[in-house]
Amino acid sequence: SYELTQPPSVSVSPGQTARITCSGDALPKKYAYWYQQKSGQAPVLVIYEDSKRPSGIPERFSGSSSGTMATLTISGAQVEDEADYYCYSTDSSGNHRGWVFGGGTKLTVL
Amino acid sequence: QVQLVESGGGVVQPGGSLRLSCAASGFTFSSYGMHWVRQAPGKGLEWVAFIRYDGSNKYYADSVKGRFTISRDNSKNTLYLQMNSLRAEDTAVYYCAKDGIPHCGGDCYPNYWGQGTLVTVSS
Repeated sequence: SYELTQPPSVSVSPGQTARITCSGDALPKKYAYWYQQKSGQAPVLVIYEDSKRPSGIPERFSGSSSGTMATLTISGAQVEDEADYYCYSTDSSGNHRGWVFGGGTKLTVL
Repeated sequence: QVQLVESGGGVVQPGGSLRLSCAASGFTFSSYGMHWVRQAPGKGLEWVAFIRYDGSNKYYADSVKGRFTISRDNSKNTLYLQMNSLRAEDTAVYYCAKDGIPHCGGDCYPNYWGQGTLVTVSS
């Protein structure tokens, strides 16, 4: 089955740039999406179609994709950005097998 | 604004059944596909199922295929998940989520989520 791979954890100091990666064989052909989940809350979409930001999401959140890796970048991370982040995508095989989430990355900002 | 309210969770014995519901409001329900996503305690997100806006196509994760059935009633703005032959590993918070693209036919993705309902499978 298709898999997306994320680092389990990333840690930065406030004001620094945090980068969270997501690797998957189909990412050259398929979009990546990113979700933020704070403790005890439902996930929130922060990036869609590799690099687009939904309304209401701060400009410090950006996304990019190159080859088999997508990256979520938080420029000038704030303490309130501390959360779990998940990438999401699908495989590119002819038989649609559904969608998958990466294993998640815990971002610590302190 | 978009509102999604899940219900129907609870405690069920292994091998039992449960039906989850998701009441939607604040958008044209019949124009959007809908997802179910679950999260086991202390674990990551797992995509479970998707149904197209008109119910014409349904997709399932391998882990639930043949046991779970996603359906919708566009006249009631309600999404369902029928869960049969439940196992301990199905214990999770189940979220319903609205798709981000009207009449999505390809790269579908959740853009709004409910608050979830907890399903516990235990004897």
